[in-house]
Amino acid sequence: AQRVTQPEKLLSVFKGAPVELKCNYSYSGSPELFWYVQYSRQRLQLLLRHISRESIKGFTADLNKGETSFHLKKPFAQEEDSAMYYCALTGGGSNYKLTFGKGTLLTVNP
Amino acid sequence: GAGVSQSPSNKVTEKGKDVELRCDPISGHTALYWYRQRLGQGLEFLIYFQGNSAPDKSGLPSDRFSAERTGESVSTLTIQRTQQEDSAVYLCASSSGLVGETQYFGPGTRLLVL
Repeated sequence: AQRVTQPEKLLSVFKGAPVELKCNYSYSGSPELFWYVQYSRQRLQLLLRHISRESIKGFTADLNKGETSFHLKKPFAQEEDSAMYYCALTGGGSNYKLTFGKGTLLTVNP
Repeated sequence: GAGVSQSPSNKVTEKGKDVELRCDPISGHTALYWYRQRLGQGLEFLIYFQGNSAPDKSGLPSDRFSAERTGESVSTLTIQRTQQEDSAVYLCASSSGLVGETQYFGPGTRLLVL
């Protein structure tokens, strides 16, 4: 079975501080990992995916297969980064179902 | 173009009543997904439609839940004889149908069963 764990329900940092949102997964094959974000009063949207190896809004995430982790990082948090962040995976290939973690609410204080 | 739309945005119903939720996917998207998010929980997969293939209903929690899709357009999720534990936000997403392509989410329908 596939499972995604986000150990922190809430994370609060000050503007300009580094931020790391943790995500660990369980999957027997080669998963595809995603981070989705939901800003206040907006719909859920894709932030980044590991296969793209890109940086979006200053965020990066590296897939660590040894530790089965896909932590989201940003060196200098901004107030506009305050949102709910969800880590998700699919099994890749024809396994299209997204399995989500319970989410981490990030608050960036001025 | 327009994103995924869902209606109604909010629905309050009494226990035992049937409800129908609607999803309009992005035009041209062949794949459509329904998810449910109960309070404090992550999103749970419910059902998946891809073109004319048989839908994957493996996530439906009980036989009170059903969904239909007309071709590659609108989908409806029906919950019969609603229970209080059905209270949740129901999210619809669509994608191009290519393997691994990004799913685009609608705003959700917030269902409250009294």
